[in-house]
Amino acid sequence: AQKVTQAQTEISVVEKEDVTLDCVYETRDTTYYLFWYKQPPSGELVFLIRRNSFDEQNEISGRYSWNFQKSTSSFNFTITASQVVDSAVYFCALITYNTDKLIFGTGTRLQVFP
Amino acid sequence: SQTIHQWPATLVQPVGSPLSLECTVEGTSNPNLYWYRQAAGRGLQLLFYSVGIGQISSEVPQNLSASRPQDRQFILSSKKLLLSDSGFYLCACGQAAATDTQYFGPGTRLTVL
Repeated sequence: AQKVTQAQTEISVVEKEDVTLDCVYETRDTTYYLFWYKQPPSGELVFLIRRNSFDEQNEISGRYSWNFQKSTSSFNFTITASQVVDSAVYFCALITYNTDKLIFGTGTRLQVFP
Repeated sequence: SQTIHQWPATLVQPVGSPLSLECTVEGTSNPNLYWYRQAAGRGLQLLFYSVGIGQISSEVPQNLSASRPQDRQFILSSKKLLLSDSGFYLCACGQAAATDTQYFGPGTRLTVL
C-alpha cells in the first residue's frame, strides 16, 4: 500500500529561523514521484517540487531545499531563514505508475512569527 | 502554463439542495482533470478524475457526481446535499500521464447548513 506520513502536525518558529518539514513515504513500487505543495490561507495548493525515484540529488531553490533519501524513504523540506509569508500548510504527496493517484500526507501547518 | 478557474469561490447551501461547481482550464489541451475535497483541518481526498470528454472515474461512492462536457470543463454536481458534503473543493489539472504534476485551482468553499 502507498502511504505518506507527515508526523509534524504543526510547527511554530520565529522569523529567520531555519525549519525542516518531514515526509516519510511507503511504497513497494520502484518508480514513483514525490511532491511538495504549499497551501497558504487563501486555500489554493501551490506546487513546489516534483522528484522522481531515480533522482536522489538534493535540490535547492532560493530559501527552499529538499533532501531525498531512498534509504530512509524520506523527502524532507527545509526552509532557510523563514519569513512570515512562509506561514502555510505544507503537503507532501506520492504517486506511482501502479496507483495512478496522488496520495497526500495530512499536512504540516507552519506558523512563522515576526 | 495552464490557468485553472473555479466558481463560485464560496457557497452556502441548505441540506437537500442541488449543487453545481464548475472548473475550467486555460492554456492546455486534453488535460487530465481532478476533483478533490478537503474537509476542515484534514488532508485531500480524491473524488473524481477524468482523462477525456465524457470519461469519469469515481474514487469515493457518495451522492456526488462529475461530468466533463468539454475538453477543458469539469463539473461537480449533487442532486441533494448532505451536511457531510461541506468542505473545500479543489479542481486540479495535469498532463496526459497520471504521474505528471497536478496544478490546482483556487478552490470553492462549500458550507451545507
